[in-house]
Amino acid sequence: AQKVTQAQTEISVVEKEDVTLDCVYETRDTTYYLFWYKQPPSGELVFLIRRNSFDEQNEISGRYSWNFQKSTSSFNFTITASQVVDSAVYFCALSEARKGGSEKLVFGKGTKLTVNP
Amino acid sequence: GAVVSQHPSRVICKSGTSVKIECRSLDFQATTMFWYRQFPKQSLMLMATSNEGSKATYEQGVEKDKFLINHASLTLSTLTVTSAHPEDSSFYICSARAIQTGTYEQYFGPGTRLTVT
Repeated sequence: AQKVTQAQTEISVVEKEDVTLDCVYETRDTTYYLFWYKQPPSGELVFLIRRNSFDEQNEISGRYSWNFQKSTSSFNFTITASQVVDSAVYFCALSEARKGGSEKLVFGKGTKLTVNP
Repeated sequence: GAVVSQHPSRVICKSGTSVKIECRSLDFQATTMFWYRQFPKQSLMLMATSNEGSKATYEQGVEKDKFLINHASLTLSTLTVTSAHPEDSSFYICSARAIQTGTYEQYFGPGTRLTVT
């Protein structure tokens, strides 16, 4: 069965600090997708990144970077020089690739990040 | 592109009444739509998967007679909470998967906050 674990429930940092959000997943499939979403207080989910299981290259997008390590089943997310606007709940999610579009997204419990000025 | 809307954004209803929530893909056709529920400070839990023109597939523990899902067209799915009770109060989020295959990406609506009094 699929499972996503975000061990950090809440993290609090001071502005400009770097912060890493951990995500560990479990799946039996060889083909799968990993996602990160941001959920600000308004509630709307904001898509951040999708990674497929065959692409282990790390990715950087501005202040955001992701480290995908299949050997440890981890897909960690780092925010560099954090800002107050980064305060939100961040969810890691896993989707197994299935034909027909019936794949499900399994979410971790989320990490609440608070960036203090 | 890839915008999903939900209506209403907030609804308050009395115990015992039914509430309908609409999920629309505005600029693409969605073969599959997903309905999630999120209780306060918790993760998103998949309730059901609906494919256009066929019956929805419900997750274990979700009452199909209580949460009626209709996916009548490629741009509209509805969730009706029948005989709502206070414990049904939650944040309901839909997502839609585009008709093109291979992306495995779900586009999320802004959510509907249901309060049952």
